[in-house]
Formats: sequence, C-alpha cells, structure tokens
Amino acid sequence: EPEVTQTPSHQVTQMGQEVILRCVPISNHLYFYWYRQILGQKVEFLVSFYNNEISEKSEIFDDQFSVERPDGSNFTLKIRSTKLEDSAMYFCASSRDRGDEKLFFGSGTQLSVL
Amino acid sequence: GENVEQHPSTLSVQEGDSAVIKCTYSDSASNYFPWYKQELGKRPQLIIDIRSNVGEKKDQRIAVTLNKTAKHFSLHITETQPEDSAVYFCAATPKTSYDKVIFGPGTSLSVIP
Repeated sequence: EPEVTQTPSHQVTQMGQEVILRCVPISNHLYFYWYRQILGQKVEFLVSFYNNEISEKSEIFDDQFSVERPDGSNFTLKIRSTKLEDSAMYFCASSRDRGDEKLFFGSGTQLSVL
Repeated sequence: GENVEQHPSTLSVQEGDSAVIKCTYSDSASNYFPWYKQELGKRPQLIIDIRSNVGEKKDQRIAVTLNKTAKHFSLHITETQPEDSAVYFCAATPKTSYDKVIFGPGTSLSVIP
C-alpha cells in the first residue's frame, strides 16, 4: 500500500535556527497537509496545500512557517527561526481530493529545539 | 471555528468487553467525522468515518453513531482485544472548510488481557 514518507525521523536544532521538514505524499494525491502533535496532546492542524498554494492555515501557522512544493514529489515545511515551543512531532498527510477527506499520515518528524 | 471534545480521556476495559468513546462538536455545518487510531510512537491511522447524512456505520467490531441534532458522535468497539490498546482521536471537518480536519484531545484505551 502506498505511504506518505517523511524525512528526517528526528531533528535536533538550536533555538533560532531554521529547519526544513520533508515529505513525499502519495503520488496520486492532490491535497497536502502539515499537522503537529506536542507530546501527549492532540493532533493540531497547521496548514493545507492544494494546486501549489495554501488553502487553509491555523493560528499556529504564523510568519515563521512556510510550505513549498519545490518539485512534483516533495512537500516541505520550513520553520524560519525555531522556538522552544516548536518542539513537537510534525506529521505530513495527504488526501486524494477535496471530497475525500480521508487523511493518510506520514510517520512523522520529531523536532527537538534546544 | 470548530471545537471537538472527547470523553473519557482514559479508558481501561477487560479483554472481550466493549469500549465506548464519545465526542461532541460545535460547528453544526461539520459534515465528516473520522476516527483515528494512534499506537504508541506511530502515525494516526483512519479506522472508520461517518458522514452527516448517515446515522450509523459498522465495520466488523467497530461502529460509529452520529446524532446531528445533539452534535455528538460515538465510537463503539466490541469484543476488545489487547491490540486495540491505543489512543483514539475523533475529528470533524467543517462543511465550509474541507481542508481542515479538527481533532479531539484523544482517548487512551487500555485493553487488559
């Protein structure tokens, strides 16, 4: 079964540094998402992306965050200047189309900001 | 915006018993309600979903019911097995915002052998 893949699985960075989290969505999916999960808490929506632009974003997704689909396969989340509170598991997800909201999640990137 | 609440936060049942997890949502325009299972250290995975034009849906030992008037929906797991132990998240997707799935806080289910 096709899977969403994410790299790296773990990322440790110093506060104030930039990080880029990478995702390869399922190939025939058109909608892409980033969610995050702080340890022991719920999964929180960050942003959705369709047709090479952001379609929805949450209050968490401020100017420090950006997303990009630099080529036909990768989908990236950039955090420009990391803060301690950005430490979380970041999940990429994709779905086939708008009417089909079933999300397929990647295995996540555990980001630790020191 | 949509807000999803979930109860209980933790649930322990004996193997073979049933487990029920309840959720409420705030946005009456929400029309899609998925349930995700997350095993420790793993990704959330969809186990069942229901749309607002349906009151109940069943898939083997798992069933979900939806009460649109009361804005609540429930997950029922029968004949629980140890491998059902996980965190279960309910979620809702507002009709006006297909691209945003809002998750509840989660229920940690432990099935005791």
